[in-house]
Amino acid sequence: AQTVTQSQPEMSVQEAETVTLSCTYDTSESNYYLFWYKQPPSRQMILVIRQEAYKQQNATENRFSVNFQKAAKSFSLKISDSQLGDTAMYFCAFMKDTGNQFYFGTGTSLTVIP
Amino acid sequence: DTGVSQDPRHKITKRGQNVTFRCDPISEHNRLYWYRQTLGQGPEFLTYFQNEAQLEKSRLLSDRFSAERPKGSFSTLEIQRTEQGDSAMYLCASSLNTGQTQYFGPGTRLLVL
Repeated sequence: AQTVTQSQPEMSVQEAETVTLSCTYDTSESNYYLFWYKQPPSRQMILVIRQEAYKQQNATENRFSVNFQKAAKSFSLKISDSQLGDTAMYFCAFMKDTGNQFYFGTGTSLTVIP
Repeated sequence: DTGVSQDPRHKITKRGQNVTFRCDPISEHNRLYWYRQTLGQGPEFLTYFQNEAQLEKSRLLSDRFSAERPKGSFSTLEIQRTEQGDSAMYLCASSLNTGQTQYFGPGTRLLVL
């Protein structure tokens, strides 16, 4: 079975600062995908960033980047130059390479303070 | 690309009633997924379709739940004899194929009184 753990239920960051959200996972699979999704208040989930496990290079998407440590089964999200619009619940998710379903963590609620 | 849409957005029902939700995926997406999200939790997988075929169902999907995707386009999720424990956000997502990014709809929030 796959499990995803987000150990930080709530975090806050000052506008323009950098914040890192943690995620660890447990799997016996060797090939898989990892995702970060963002769920703003009362709005739908949108993809932030995606990482293929077979790629050693960490994914980046504008102000968002990940630190993927496959051996440690760790997948943290770094948000640089935080903006008020980054305030949301952030979910880490795991998918086997057969791609049938996501396994989500319990989420981290991020608040960006002006 | 109009994105994934879900209808209704909110539903309040009395215990014991049947409810049906609809999901319209992104038009060229073959795969369609249903998830349930309760307060303070991440979404939990319920079931998924490859075109019109329902290929996997979670143990969370009791006999009171049924999902269909009759023509490989939109999907419906029906809950019969609703219980208070069914109160949750029901999310639909779609993807092009295996391992591809899933795009989520806005969800249907169900409250069972």
